[in-house]
Amino acid sequence: DTAVSQTPKYLVTQMGNDKSIKCEQNLGHDTMYWYKQDSKKFLKIMFSYNNKELIINETVPNRFSPKSPDKAHLNLHINSLELGDSAVYFCASSYQGTSTDTQYFGPGTRLTVL
Amino acid sequence: AQSVTQPDIHITVSEGASLELRCNYSYGATPYLFWYVQSPGQGLQLLLKYFSGDTLVQGIKGFEAEFKRSQSSFNLRKPSVHWSDAAEYFCAVSGYSTLTFGKGTMLLVSP
Repeated sequence: DTAVSQTPKYLVTQMGNDKSIKCEQNLGHDTMYWYKQDSKKFLKIMFSYNNKELIINETVPNRFSPKSPDKAHLNLHINSLELGDSAVYFCASSYQGTSTDTQYFGPGTRLTVL
Repeated sequence: AQSVTQPDIHITVSEGASLELRCNYSYGATPYLFWYVQSPGQGLQLLLKYFSGDTLVQGIKGFEAEFKRSQSSFNLRKPSVHWSDAAEYFCAVSGYSTLTFGKGTMLLVSP
């Protein structure tokens, strides 16, 4: 069974469109995250949610809106896509979101904006 | 603010040779340190982590890392590299409930 899953794996779209990426974890964790990995492989935290509540919101454009319908799901909706949004987006989860928790990562979603 | 530096963008090692990947961190308190591996087209997998205690930590796949507070380092080692170890390796420091990653080191394994 996949611990952290994301859909879709690949997403190709035009500038200006709105798209969503879904993430689900079956580990029973309380905390979930979204990371962005740019073309140089640099990974940066975007958001984290603990038990459906937003905990971390880094300096991300407000075109990005995370939504957590329950603690097993954290979706990422992106409005008015721009070329610079092209990246690999990783979802992750951890037990309680403390500094000593291991984060478990999904396989990533490669977003290409044309 | 916490930060991680991985000075080597890529390293090439012959199969069977030993490996050391460097990682230096900056953090004001006791650091919680991690090494993750990312195979091509895959997510990140935890290799090992350090919180406290013994400064030499063992991980999966035969990897180990040594925490040296005086040098602010947490270098990853493996005595004998296999072709399947070719991947991107990320060092990370955890603080204030966020993981801060280095820019990664790409490991290439030559026959």
